[in-house]
Amino acid sequence: GENVEQHPSTLSVQEGDSAVIKCTYSDSASNYFPWYKQELGKRPQLIIDIRSNVGEKKDQRIAVTLNKTAKHFSLHITETQPEDSAVYFCAASGTSGTYKYIFGTGTRLKVLA
Amino acid sequence: GAVVSQHPSRVICKSGTSVKIECRSLDFQATTMFWYRQFPKQSLMLMATSNEGSKATYEQGVEKDKFLINHASLTLSTLTVTSAHPEDSSFYICSAAVSPSSNQPQHFGDGTRLSIL
Repeated sequence: GENVEQHPSTLSVQEGDSAVIKCTYSDSASNYFPWYKQELGKRPQLIIDIRSNVGEKKDQRIAVTLNKTAKHFSLHITETQPEDSAVYFCAASGTSGTYKYIFGTGTRLKVLA
Repeated sequence: GAVVSQHPSRVICKSGTSVKIECRSLDFQATTMFWYRQFPKQSLMLMATSNEGSKATYEQGVEKDKFLINHASLTLSTLTVTSAHPEDSSFYICSAAVSPSSNQPQHFGDGTRLSIL
């Protein structure tokens, strides 16, 4: 089955710096890759997603890149702010005709003011 | 749009009790909903896929007789934790997608924190 690895597990950056979180997946049939932000005790919220027919997508300070050949995708946050501090999860979907998500292990991002 | 409501938000009960959690899609119909479990500082682990009008599909290692899922309508799925024990204490979250397609985002409920004494 699908396996999603996520790195790093924790990341601390200074306010204003960039943060990059990387994920790799194992199943080449996966075709949808969302990123979720989860604050403590709250629901995961979709922040950006990318489909397999696209290599890059950007939404203001957030961007995601996808390399299908290497089977990895990355989240880029520029000009980080303290409110970006949270746990970020990547996921892969679309394998074997299903649309269930397989989540990465999560990255705890801390933006230092 | 695409709001998912989950109730209750918090449950504390004695060992041996059965607990029912509801997941509702408020402004869309969801033929498929998903149930996840999340332990502290860990990722979301898919427990089962809930299909309207048919049996749920459980992930490997999840006991279907312990975690009963019912998806009787296009807007409601329920998860019942039967004869709960302390090791069942966790954060349970449901999600639903607007369209039954692999390329659509899932929208999550607020989660239910279950504590078994």
